[in-house]
Amino acid sequence: AQSVTQLDSHVSVSEGTPVLLRCNYSSSYSPSLFWYVQHPNKGLQLLLKYTSAATLVKGINGFEAEFKKSETSFHLTKPSAHMSDAAEYFCVVSVWRGATNKLIFGTGTLLAVQP
Amino acid sequence: DSGVTQTPKHLITATGQRVTLRCSPRSGDLSVYWYQQSLDQGLQFLIHYYNGEERAKGNILERFSAQQFPDLHSELNLSSLELGDSALYFCASSSGTGRETQYFGPGTRLLVL
Repeated sequence: AQSVTQLDSHVSVSEGTPVLLRCNYSSSYSPSLFWYVQHPNKGLQLLLKYTSAATLVKGINGFEAEFKKSETSFHLTKPSAHMSDAAEYFCVVSVWRGATNKLIFGTGTLLAVQP
Repeated sequence: DSGVTQTPKHLITATGQRVTLRCSPRSGDLSVYWYQQSLDQGLQFLIHYYNGEERAKGNILERFSAQQFPDLHSELNLSSLELGDSALYFCASSSGTGRETQYFGPGTRLLVL
């Protein structure tokens, strides 16, 4: 069965320092993986997605993630945090069955950015 | 703005009542997925419709039902509401049933008192 595990429920960084949000996945076949972001009282916005092309995926707002099959990881990084990055981040795997493609969400990582 | 719209934004109702949540997908998208976000269950898949047909069910209660209309908008009906149904309900749309990106609406926040 497909699943994702987000290793940290809360991460706090200082503005201008790197961000690392960790995600491990479990999948019986080549997965499609995503990172979504949810700002307070807002909907879910796609940051980036991996669908078996390049293992280093670049997303919006300077975020990127690297798919590592040997480690079953898909960690999200950003070189320099901005105050506007404070939000909840979800690692997601899709379960594609031909007729449907439901998303399985991790439990989320709340990112706090300190001035 | 994802192009997916949901109404209403907020809904406050009482236990035992019935409500209808509405979702309009992005122009051209045929798939609508419904998800529930609650404090205890997190974000979970409820149901998927493609071009008017139900394609998959997730952890959806029997008190809940959905449908997709010919104009492709979808409605999620929640009946005999309980306190535990209080949650944020999202819909997402995609062009097909493959690995296309799902674009999420802003959600409907339901509070059952």
